[in-house]
Amino acid sequence: RKEVEQDPGPFNVPEGATVAFNCTYSNSASQSFFWYRQDCRKEPKLLMSVYSSGNEDGRFTAQLNRASQYISLLIRDSKLSDSATYLCVVNRAGGSYIPTFGRGTSLIVHP
Amino acid sequence: DTEVTQTPKHLVMGMTNKKSLKCEQHMGHRAMYWYKQKAKKPPELMFVYSYEKLSINESVPSRFSPECPNSSLLNLHLHALQPEDSALYLCASSHPDRGAFFGQGTRLTVV
Repeated sequence: RKEVEQDPGPFNVPEGATVAFNCTYSNSASQSFFWYRQDCRKEPKLLMSVYSSGNEDGRFTAQLNRASQYISLLIRDSKLSDSATYLCVVNRAGGSYIPTFGRGTSLIVHP
Repeated sequence: DTEVTQTPKHLVMGMTNKKSLKCEQHMGHRAMYWYKQKAKKPPELMFVYSYEKLSINESVPSRFSPECPNSSLLNLHLHALQPEDSALYLCASSHPDRGAFFGQGTRLTVV
């Protein structure tokens, strides 16, 4: 089983739609969790950290369920500019903190 | 300032060449990373430096040799690479257990 699993998509949605991405992780000792965005041929950019209490940044809401080892990202009112690959990242626990990536979920927002 | 700078942005090298990739950050991060990313795949961890010491080597072939001259710099020395080593090489840095910030990457082509 992979450490971090994501549905690769693609998710193809119209502008204004709400879309949700999910991610599961296998190591229950993992310490911290993040969502990254990666545009084609660019580097991954940190979108937001994910906390058990849930956190929101504008149109983006992230949630962590430690019991289920499940992380989610909700994007409301999708914009064309949201089209990208969204990567779930889990910091592997034990010694050094190692950002471990899911395979990413591709989002295409169309007019 | 959340910037990680990588040079060069593009590199074409022959299989007998020796070259180096450079990475610099001035955010005071004590963890620095090298990742390799192939097209349509997530970044794969290669090396982790923690407080200027190599803490993780993910079974990377010896033709890749990392070096951390000081807390701001990270190098990746390349020698006798193979065409399948062509990829985007990403450097990142972070505070312990925080989100990592990535450089723009070096797009390497081995001919």
